Order: sequence, then structure tokens, then C-alpha cells
Amino acid sequence: AQTVTQSQPEMSVQEAETVTLSCTYDTSESDYYLFWYKQPPSRQMILVIRQEAYKQQNATENRFSVNFQKAAKSFSLKISDSQLGDAAMYFCAYRRRTGTASKLTFGTGTRLQVTL
Amino acid sequence: GAGVSQSPRYKVAKRGQDVALRCDPISGHVSLFWYQQALGQGPEFLTYFQNEAQLDKSGLPSDRFFAERPEGSVSTLKIQRTQQEDSAVYLCASSRGREIGNSYNEQFFGPGTRLTVL
Repeated sequence: AQTVTQSQPEMSVQEAETVTLSCTYDTSESDYYLFWYKQPPSRQMILVIRQEAYKQQNATENRFSVNFQKAAKSFSLKISDSQLGDAAMYFCAYRRRTGTASKLTFGTGTRLQVTL
Repeated sequence: GAGVSQSPRYKVAKRGQDVALRCDPISGHVSLFWYQQALGQGPEFLTYFQNEAQLDKSGLPSDRFFAERPEGSVSTLKIQRTQQEDSAVYLCASSRGREIGNSYNEQFFGPGTRLTVL
């Protein structure tokens, strides 16, 4: 079974600064996706960024980028130029790339606070 | 609407009551997922539908949990004889295509239903 671990229950960053959220995962498969989701107080999960395991290049979406280390099974999220609107719960998630019913497996989340 | 909607947003039930939670996926989306998110935890998979077929129900915690999607659109998650441990946020997600092979279909989430069992 796949597991996703987020060891930082809470993180804090000042506005305009950079913060990195950590995630490790365990799987015996070689082909999969990794995701970062944002969950604001409204509870609606919003996809932040996606990484395909077969791609060596780290994914980037505007101020969000990842550091994907496949051998180490590590997948961290870097948020640059943090904004007040970035404050939320962030979940790392895993999904098989092949097979049926590609359910998401989530970590326990990291609460990000953004201060002035 | 443009997104996934769920109703009710909040539900309070007395222990032993039956509840029904509704999910309206994005129109035309083939795949539908239910997740359970306990307080302070990440969502956990409950069940998956492809159109009206329930292809995976391995995450349902007990036989008190039942889900259906009879016409391949709206889905209902029913919990019978609710227990306090059922208190959680229940999230629904839909995606455009069949979740098969190596196709990628983004899952779009609804706002969830917060169930509190007293």
C-alpha cells in the first residue's frame, strides 16, 4: 500500500518570503503522479501542482514549484513571494498512473500561516 | 453550476440515525469519488463510480456505509445507524474521463459535507 507522510503539522512564513513544505511517500510502483492540494477554510480542495514520476524536470506553476527526488521518495513544495491568500492547509497526495480507480492517497497536511 | 456541489453543507445527527449526503458532479463527468476527512487528517478514499457502476468500494469502513449513482450523475452516500466515529467531512470529487490506464483526469472537489454525530 502507498503511504504519504507530511512531518510538518504547521509552518509560518512572512509575506513576500519563501517557504518549503515537505512530503515523503512510500510506494513499490515506478509510475505514478504526485500532487499538492490547497484546502482553505471553505474546505474545497484546490489542485496547486502536479508531477509525473517519469518526468525528471520539476514542475512549476507561477510562484509554486516542487523538488521531486524520486530515489529518495521526496516531494517538497516551494512557495515563493508568499501572499496572505496562500494561508491554508496543504496536502501532498499520490496517485497511481496506471490501472483502474485512480484514487488519491493523501498525507495528513501542513497548516501554512502567512504573517505580515 | 460550474463546479461540484454537495448538500447539505452541514449535518447534525443523533447517534443511530440514518443520513444521506448528496453530490452533484460537474456535468458530463464520468468518474466520481467519495472521500472521508476526519478532523486534523487528510481525506481518505471511500468509493469510486464510473458512470453508474461502483467499481471500487474498498474504502467503505463498514456495511453501514452505502453509496449509489443510479443514473451516472448525482451520487448519494448513505450512512445507516450513525456512530460518533462517523463524524467527519465527506468530500466528493469528479473527473472527466474514465480512471483507467495511464490517462490523467484532474479530480475536482466539492466543498464537502460536515457530519457531526452526537
